[in-house]
Amino acid sequence: QSALTQPASVSGSPGQSITISCTGTSSDVGGYDYVSWYQQHPGKAPKLMIYDVTNRPSGVSNRFSGSKSGNTASLTISGLQAEDEADYYCNSYTSSRTWVFGGGTKVTVL
Amino acid sequence: QLQVQESGPGLVKPSETLSLTCTVSGGSISRSSYYWGWIRQPPGKGLEWIGNIYYSGSTNYNPSLRSRVTISVDTSKNQFSLELRSVTAADTAVYYCARRVEGSGRRDYWGQGTLVTVSS
Repeated sequence: QSALTQPASVSGSPGQSITISCTGTSSDVGGYDYVSWYQQHPGKAPKLMIYDVTNRPSGVSNRFSGSKSGNTASLTISGLQAEDEADYYCNSYTSSRTWVFGGGTKVTVL
Repeated sequence: QLQVQESGPGLVKPSETLSLTCTVSGGSISRSSYYWGWIRQPPGKGLEWIGNIYYSGSTNYNPSLRSRVTISVDTSKNQFSLELRSVTAADTAVYYCARRVEGSGRRDYWGQGTLVTVSS
């Protein structure tokens, strides 16, 4: 299985909104509403930010939102803050009953 | 509060078997509705899903690792384990265990991760 495609890096100024894309195929992202997003700070374990495309766990800021169109899922961070600087990974279920991650996107707050 | 914690050797020789255990506390691994899985991350690289197991013993594996991986569960100890055979330097990574909610992509509890280095 091939990794989902994410941009290597995305940047924005404090207060701005940014969007990270996650592109797969009809056998993964496009075929199931089981796309999740994880935030990872250096040296730390991943943290769940969005699950099942649009759902936000309790305790996660409402500045984080998810969506999907066709074979591409997206994570939007609004009102960008310094603490949002981290790596972000998407993850999807596949038709082979397995899971696949994206390559990761480094978010930089300018 | 549920906690999951990885344990095992930090150094494994090439061609040998990597063995890790994940201990679940604050909740029962035998409870239905959850899958228990392993994810790894080579130094400086992205996350890779290895596989998962249900409390009943049903497993799913990453096709690229399937021939070398076994995940098992010990409900009496509230633990699940990972075995990766015939390791090479490419298997050097931080290994995480995590819980996923059944019928969802919600992987909500993660261990802190453990670095396993493959070297002679």
